[in-house]
Amino acid sequence: NAGVTQTPKFQVLKTGQSMTLQCAQDMNHNSMYWYRQDPGMGLRLIYYSASEGTTDKGEVPNGYNVSRLNKREFSLRLESAAPSQTSVYFCASSEERPDTQYFGPGTRLTVL
Amino acid sequence: AQSVSQHNHHVILSEAASLELGCNYSYGGTVNLFWYVQYPGQHLQLLLKYFSGDPLVKGIKGFEAEFIKSKFSFNLRKPSVQWSDTAEYFCAIYGSSNTGKLIFGQGTTLQVKP
Repeated sequence: NAGVTQTPKFQVLKTGQSMTLQCAQDMNHNSMYWYRQDPGMGLRLIYYSASEGTTDKGEVPNGYNVSRLNKREFSLRLESAAPSQTSVYFCASSEERPDTQYFGPGTRLTVL
Repeated sequence: AQSVSQHNHHVILSEAASLELGCNYSYGGTVNLFWYVQYPGQHLQLLLKYFSGDPLVKGIKGFEAEFIKSKFSFNLRKPSVQWSDTAEYFCAIYGSSNTGKLIFGQGTTLQVKP
């Protein structure tokens, strides 16, 4: 039982490049989330998915897209990376809302 | 709009000292409250949560928090900290009308000196 896994762990991009962050959970949770963590700002919700087939915007969705591929997987895509997207990205899942969210190990992204 | 404020950004304590980390929120309706912890190099994990009932909530590793509705507060306490409590602590709320959105505070970094 791996919990929530994320790939990659680290990534460096140049401005304008695109990439997809992958997230998977093996706890059969309905809800999944993407956050970004920036110093002094805590975690901010980018997008979430209450259930398979649905996605909704969070606090800071601009510049991102998501796909809930199936119940297990929830990916985050940066179409044209900007330096302002340099951050640590966390994926999380929960059985329902509200409930305890279980977090992945994070992806540290640097955009040059 | 909902918000969470953690007053202390960086706290330094010696081992065996008592800890209290402040958390205040802004929301007029029913809330669910959480404290998460992020140990160095690890991912966030739940310390404790409050949904309803006894406002004094006990969590893992000897932590507790008290929900004071009149003060919109959910402060985290531990009577005697250990070096292993060095971590970043996040308070978070989920408002009843806030579909799917867990709002986090800015975080408090706790450094415990041996």
